[in-house]
Amino acid sequence: EDQVTQSPEALRLQEGESSSLNCSYTVSGLRGLFWYRQDPGKGPEFLFTLYSAGEEKEKERLKATLTKKESFLHITAPKPEDSATYLCAVGYGNNRLAFGKGNQVVVIP
Amino acid sequence: KAGVTQTPRYLIKTRGQQVTLSCSPISGHRSVSWYQQTPGQGLQFLFEYFSETQRNKGNFPGRFSGRQFSNSRSEMNVSTLELGDSALYLCASSPEVGGAAAGNTIYFGEGSWLTVV
Repeated sequence: EDQVTQSPEALRLQEGESSSLNCSYTVSGLRGLFWYRQDPGKGPEFLFTLYSAGEEKEKERLKATLTKKESFLHITAPKPEDSATYLCAVGYGNNRLAFGKGNQVVVIP
Repeated sequence: KAGVTQTPRYLIKTRGQQVTLSCSPISGHRSVSWYQQTPGQGLQFLFEYFSETQRNKGNFPGRFSGRQFSNSRSEMNVSTLELGDSALYLCASSPEVGGAAAGNTIYFGEGSWLTVV
């Protein structure tokens, strides 16, 4: 059973069309939830770290929120340069780490 | 401030050979962790080193090994390469022990693309 599930797997958006990506997790003892952006052929670029339910963080057009069992990455008025795969990861329990498979986002001009 | 540097960026090896990949962490970061990324399995944790000691290990066979030097630079080695080892190998660094598993933000390098033929 996957411990971290990201949905939708793929998303096509028109430029300016806001949307949300979901990362749900079944682990217990959350140590931290991380969001990264990955462009093709490159390493993941750090976006946010969230630690407790109710926490929110923002950066430009991105906003990450956290509840007890899931996190959302909201993309407001996306631009073509926001096209990327967004990865979610959770550190939990006794130094365990699990990654989601990613949300592939394409923003069409 | 320079980011995480990985070398080489691309390499092709033959089945049965071994390979060594290198990682230089962000200056001041003492934790280095390694990951394998494939289209089928996604990102998977290999191991984490801090102060030259392996602190955490993922579920990979013993053919995958690593080490860390006193200057925090790290290497990983894969012996007896198999076709399934073809992947993007990523290194990440963090100031604190435990890396992401302990809730610390980690910063990735650009990765080393390994193709096994």
